[in-house]
Amino acid sequence: DAGVIQSPRHEVTEMGQEVTLRCKPISGHDYLFWYRQTMMRGLELLIYFNNNVPIDDSGMPEDRFSAKMPNASFSTLKIQPSEPRDSAVYFCASRPDGGFTGELFFGEGSRLTVL
Amino acid sequence: KQEVTQIPAALSVPEGENLVLNCSFTDSAIYNLQWFRQDPGKGLTSLLLIQSSQREQTSGRLNASLDKSSGRSTLYIAASQPGDSATYLCAVSYTNAGKSTFGDGTTLTVKP
Repeated sequence: DAGVIQSPRHEVTEMGQEVTLRCKPISGHDYLFWYRQTMMRGLELLIYFNNNVPIDDSGMPEDRFSAKMPNASFSTLKIQPSEPRDSAVYFCASRPDGGFTGELFFGEGSRLTVL
Repeated sequence: KQEVTQIPAALSVPEGENLVLNCSFTDSAIYNLQWFRQDPGKGLTSLLLIQSSQREQTSGRLNASLDKSSGRSTLYIAASQPGDSATYLCAVSYTNAGKSTFGDGTTLTVKP
């Protein structure tokens, strides 16, 4: 398997623009997580899905953030409108369901810069 | 509140030295604990996963231990090399498939 795949790897945009980050989890993994990493706050969980259903979105900072998982092999994280304080590295991760070890696998991340 | 703490935040050692990285957690009812490595500008790479029923896991020069009663895990790196320089994070899960709580990491520098 190619691992968790994220795109784009880098995104530079201007304040007010819409940003869409994409993630393809490892095939067969039932859980998908979106994290945000900054120097100030470390790694923060934004939202996670189980079998394409959002389970916990309490980490989503504002209504400007939304996430979808239309099928088992694709998820998006959207920011609209974007602000400079959204600049961070956004990671997607996936893991198999219970009964396995529960090991978490991360993508390479999407580095977002909002000017 | 379930918290994970890693101390120190940064560590610098000469090449060849054996070293220990620490991870503490406030709630001992864990399901598993996972150690990751993160190189600058990269994602997190899984190093070792310890289930709650296990005491340690080994992979090459790495050995991770778990003591639930004291709320601690250690990552032992033997014969450190400059290539080991990275940030090491630990993550604790409290259910068999739910979210993990991450520490802030320890940034390791191994000097040639």
